[in-house]
Amino acid sequence: DGGITQSPKYLFRKEGQNVTLSCEQNLNHDAMYWYRQDPGQGLRLIYYSQIVNDFQKGDIAEGYSVSREKKESFPLTVTSAQKNPTAFYLCASSISDYQPQHFGDGTRLSIL
Amino acid sequence: AQSVAQPEDQVNVAEGNPLTVKCTYSVSGNPYLFWYVQYPNRGLQFLLKYITGDNLVKGSYGFEAEFNKSQTSFHLKKPSALVSDSALYFCAVREVSGGSYIPTFGRGTSLIVHP
Repeated sequence: DGGITQSPKYLFRKEGQNVTLSCEQNLNHDAMYWYRQDPGQGLRLIYYSQIVNDFQKGDIAEGYSVSREKKESFPLTVTSAQKNPTAFYLCASSISDYQPQHFGDGTRLSIL
Repeated sequence: AQSVAQPEDQVNVAEGNPLTVKCTYSVSGNPYLFWYVQYPNRGLQFLLKYITGDNLVKGSYGFEAEFNKSQTSFHLKKPSALVSDSALYFCAVREVSGGSYIPTFGRGTSLIVHP
């Protein structure tokens, strides 16, 4: 079955540590997105990529970084500069900008 | 700029009764509109979309939504609610031309269906 796989499902970060969240899709979609979800705040866009080797900042990119070396993969790194990283992180992809997004099942990041 | 509002944080309905989850939007031109559902600790699942054409859109699991351009609304409806419909519902909008091609999501509405 085609879909988006996010791993790990749960992740814990220590002070001063960078952590990387994985997102892989086998839907052959060009566009991929990272969102942060906090209770009562909906989805906020962190980064997005329309094509391999290109990505743009979203509304809350500070403290995060991404790469898009392969069409299937769009990993997100939460750096130590992100002072409030505790949240539910969702990765999505879409075949075009007027078609719905497909979402992974998220990674919940907490601080140790 | 595009924006979307879901005016109710929570909607309560009895099983078997009709349900409505409200969504209003703001765009400069014409909109693409989407509804998604999220169950606990899961990603969002697509329910239905309005791109063009018939104002009444039918989607998954018996849900439908009506596009009303004059009221800039896209309310989600279902004739008879099930307990299993209890979840978080998100409306999203994207302007057809101009502006950002990235959809903007509402803050979500928690639907609780009581047995």
